[in-house]
Amino acid sequence: GAVVSQHPSWVICKSGTSVKIECRSLDFQATTMFWYRQFPKQSLMLMATSNEGSKATYEQGVEKDKFLINHASLTLSTLTVTSAHPEDSSFYICSLSRLHTGELFFGEGSRLTVL
Amino acid sequence: AQKVTQAQTEISVVEKEDVTLDCVYETRDTTYYLFWYKQPPSGELVFLIRRNSFDEQNEISGRYSWNFQKSTSSFNFTITASQVVDSAVYFCALSDAGGTSYGKLTFGQGTILTVHP
Repeated sequence: GAVVSQHPSWVICKSGTSVKIECRSLDFQATTMFWYRQFPKQSLMLMATSNEGSKATYEQGVEKDKFLINHASLTLSTLTVTSAHPEDSSFYICSLSRLHTGELFFGEGSRLTVL
Repeated sequence: AQKVTQAQTEISVVEKEDVTLDCVYETRDTTYYLFWYKQPPSGELVFLIRRNSFDEQNEISGRYSWNFQKSTSSFNFTITASQVVDSAVYFCALSDAGGTSYGKLTFGQGTILTVHP
């Protein structure tokens, strides 16, 4: 079964609102979590890396104030898209690195549509 | 900087044909990992293989096989006797081997594979 739960799987919101996406590891502790974004028919691009209890590290060109990442525990990371605009419409995918082994697991993804 | 190039944007084959998806990478690291993922229309990434830079042995898993050539920085993926269910986008990816960098994947552009009945 799935070891990573990402929620919601899809969301539609109005422009200007904020949307929170959760990424949860179901049966292991994750030292590091990664957030990727995938625009239609494009590749996955890393947005940020987060470690539990630390501030996230953002990739160049990703706005920290717009994409808030909280990694409050070893099993949960959240991505909040603040004041969403239509250009933020995308597929957001989280990835977790398992404590001790470093195995990688991906969430099912969250499709965001901003009207 | 790391880079992954999948030169084939789209490939279309008829069922039972063999198909090879190309992947060429660039990295300055001596230790790294290479991956292949399948992304069906539903969107989730399906892990296919991980290979570290010191293991150049080719691998076969059922109808899937991978050819890792360090000399040409290539990690090609072949599907033998393709089936309609193989239709998906396939991504090749690269990561550093150290610490938290391990999970930071650089993805290629993806190859859309369509297998016709």
